[in-house]
Amino acid sequence: AQSVAQPEDQVNVAEGNPLTVKCTYSVSGNPYLFWYVQYPNRGLQFLLKYITGDNLVKGSYGFEAEFNKSQTSFHLKKPSALVSDSALYFCAVRALPSGNTGKLIFGQGTTLQVKP
Amino acid sequence: EAGVVQSPRYKIIEKKQPVAFWCNPISGHNTLYWYRQNLGQGPELLIRYENEEAVDDSQLPKDRFSAERLKGVDSTLKIQPAELGDSAVYLCASSWGETGAEQYFGPGTRLTVT
Repeated sequence: AQSVAQPEDQVNVAEGNPLTVKCTYSVSGNPYLFWYVQYPNRGLQFLLKYITGDNLVKGSYGFEAEFNKSQTSFHLKKPSALVSDSALYFCAVRALPSGNTGKLIFGQGTTLQVKP
Repeated sequence: EAGVVQSPRYKIIEKKQPVAFWCNPISGHNTLYWYRQNLGQGPELLIRYENEEAVDDSQLPKDRFSAERLKGVDSTLKIQPAELGDSAVYLCASSWGETGAEQYFGPGTRLTVT
């Protein structure tokens, strides 16, 4: 069965410092991996995805993520955090091959708190 | 480009009452999803449509939940009768077809059942 784990409920970082939000996954087959961000009372906003190719993918708002197949991880990173990055972050996975219905499995979410 | 539109944004009802949520996806997106997001958790898929066809409704509690997507555009999700445990945020999302496509989410409807 597919699953996604975000081991940290909350990540605290000072503004200007690098941030990492962790995600590990379990799928049978090749994964499609996604990161979304959710601000209060808003829907989820797409940040970036890994489908194939370069293990380091770049996304919106200066975020990037590194796909590590051997560690089954897809950690979200940013070199310099902003207070406005404070939000709830979700990792999600969709598995191939065929037979998959396109269902996304989401992690529990990690709250990122960036302090001035 | 307009995003995914949902209404209402908030709904408070008493248990055993019916409720309906409406979603208008991004123009041209053929795939539409309804998710339920409980407090402190990630969204969970309820139903997925490709055009007018429900291709995955395995997580939809069919005894009380129903959905439709007429003409392959707008969609309605209904609960009848509502139970206390249905209190959650109901999210609609859409995407263009292929498996690797990202989904675009609406703002959600926050349902409170009292």
